[in-house]
Amino acid sequence: EVQLVESGGGVVRPGGSLRLSCAASGFTFDAYGMSWVRQAPGKGLEWVSGISWNGGSTGYADSVKGRFTISRDNAKSSLYLQMNSLRAEDTALYHCARDPNHYGSGTNWFDPWGQGTLVTVSS
Amino acid sequence: DIQMTQSPSTLSASVGDRVTITCRASQSISTWVAWYQQKPGKAPNLLIYKASTLKSGVPSRFSGSGSGTEFTLTISSLQPDDFATYYCQQYNSYLLTFGGGTKVEIK
Repeated sequence: EVQLVESGGGVVRPGGSLRLSCAASGFTFDAYGMSWVRQAPGKGLEWVSGISWNGGSTGYADSVKGRFTISRDNAKSSLYLQMNSLRAEDTALYHCARDPNHYGSGTNWFDPWGQGTLVTVSS
Repeated sequence: DIQMTQSPSTLSASVGDRVTITCRASQSISTWVAWYQQKPGKAPNLLIYKASTLKSGVPSRFSGSGSGTEFTLTISSLQPDDFATYYCQQYNSYLLTFGGGTKVEIK
């Protein structure tokens, strides 16, 4: 069974940092691009960042560019999101999601999604 | 960025009704659109990609259509399990964007 499990969320003060992780299982992780998508409480979906299957290409939403860094460790079947200079508006449930295209860019449609890890930025 | 304007934001319907949700893109995006269903407290689930390709295992009462700037998701006969929030997403540009969502409620 294809599974994505996020971790690393928590409460952090404005200006602080967090590193999210996404553990993948049930598929050949190094053959698929991945993305992070967030959902603020009671709000819609917002794409945050994506990475290609080999890590050679990355992309970021304007709202996080320069503050967040996406990376992956194919040997560990894991995806990461380093979040610096956090703001109150970054408060959200962060999902990792797979681009189901073989050797994809990570920025197509998504299937499946993980359940998410909650990040709360508050003083 | 490409904006995706989804309507309506809320829809009240009864079991058996035909339901249509619309997404309009701020510029032409060919057929690079996906649709998702999300239930409270759950992750989104893919329904349709490339505007009209049904994901394997998704009931055939779901269908998608459109190209260019206007896209629709249709549920031919609403079932109790279909009450949820639906999102469109464009992937024409690497700056991916989602519609604001349509909540389908019981009438």
